[in-house]
Amino acid sequence: NAGVTQTPKFQVLKTGQSMTLQCAQDMNHNSMYWYRQDPGMGLRLIYYSASEGTTDKGEVPNGYNVSRLNKREFSLRLESAAPSQTSVYFCASSEESGSYTEAFFGQGTRLTVV
Amino acid sequence: TQLLEQSPQFLSIQEGENLTVYCNSSSVFSSLQWYRQEPGEGPVLLVTVVTGGEVKKLKRLTFQFGDARKDSSLHITAAQPGDTGLYLCAGGRFGNEKLTFGTGTRLTIIP
Repeated sequence: NAGVTQTPKFQVLKTGQSMTLQCAQDMNHNSMYWYRQDPGMGLRLIYYSASEGTTDKGEVPNGYNVSRLNKREFSLRLESAAPSQTSVYFCASSEESGSYTEAFFGQGTRLTVV
Repeated sequence: TQLLEQSPQFLSIQEGENLTVYCNSSSVFSSLQWYRQEPGEGPVLLVTVVTGGEVKKLKRLTFQFGDARKDSSLHITAAQPGDTGLYLCAGGRFGNEKLTFGTGTRLTIIP
């Protein structure tokens, strides 16, 4: 009963370093998302993927790239980390239930860029 | 631009009291969801409302979608420490799989 699994849970990077956040879901959902969460800002969408092979920018895509490797996996890459990217990152997947979307979230990755 | 504003941002009340938190927008949504997030965890869906004026109850929690589909409220009766967490509303639009999340209300229930 894993749902959405993110790795790693914690990461500290130096400015300029790169890293990839991994996400996998086992619910056979078509849509997957990457959000960042900052105090007082709620969740802001970075990128999303409506289906395998497609990706689209969200509200705050600058400094990030994504790959939808297959239906299960959606990764987020920081090519050159900056302190402004210090945040908690959440991956989510969703299913369409008639007229609305229900999202299921991973446990998050707490990233600090020093 | 934050399309969904939640108020209050922080709320701390005694166990047993009632409370209401609000989610407001100038935009119309076809659905409105409420999530609860506990420390170190991802948000978990509590409820979805899809009809203007709709009211849903989940034990001591009552959710209402505004008639114009631009706002929503969450009312908790006789709050308990287990209700502590970050409450997020999220708006959806028909045919669009993306959700727009609100700014969040951090609720603390004091035993």
